[in-house]
Amino acid sequence: EPEVTQTPSHQVTQMGQEVILRCVPISNHLYFYWYRQILGQKVEFLVSFYNNEISEKSEIFDDQFSVERPDGSNFTLKIRSTKLEDSAMYFCASSEAAGETQYFGPGTRLLVL
Amino acid sequence: GEDVEQSLFLSVREGDSSVINCTYTDSSSTYLYWYKQEPGAGLQLLTYIFSNMDMKQDQRLTVLLNKKDKHLSLRIADTQTGDSAIYFCALTGGYQKVTFGIGTKLQVIP
Repeated sequence: EPEVTQTPSHQVTQMGQEVILRCVPISNHLYFYWYRQILGQKVEFLVSFYNNEISEKSEIFDDQFSVERPDGSNFTLKIRSTKLEDSAMYFCASSEAAGETQYFGPGTRLLVL
Repeated sequence: GEDVEQSLFLSVREGDSSVINCTYTDSSSTYLYWYKQEPGAGLQLLTYIFSNMDMKQDQRLTVLLNKKDKHLSLRIADTQTGDSAIYFCALTGGYQKVTFGIGTKLQVIP
């Protein structure tokens, strides 16, 4: 069964460093998403991406964040200068079309020290 | 904006039925989901229901949707210790994002 994959599973970084979280969405899906879950809090939407551009983003997704589809399979989330409050589990998801069921990856646990 | 509310904790005995409840505010929701998250793991899609349905059954899982009251429930029959996890109610409205509840931690007592 096709699934969304994410790497790395865990990442520890120093405050102010750049991190890139990687995702491989399900191959025939066209919409890609990033969410995050701060420990003990709700899963929050960050951004959706379609046709090589951002289609929707939340207030959380400020200028420190960017997304990219560098090739035909990967979808990345970059945080330019990490802050302590960026520590969270980051989930990638994909769907065949807008509004269709989103399938989530296993997540990357990011710890900013 | 949309709001999704769930109770935080539910404890049941193995073999009993579990019912996890959820209320929401966005009446334009098209898909309503239940996701399962085991400790340290990702979000596993358990089941979903379209907004034009009242009920969906999938093996031990029964989803009930009351659109008038904006209430969604997940019933797990014959609950097993392997069902212990956090269960998230979630929905999509007219936009692309999924809005999640806080999650209900289900504890199954042997």
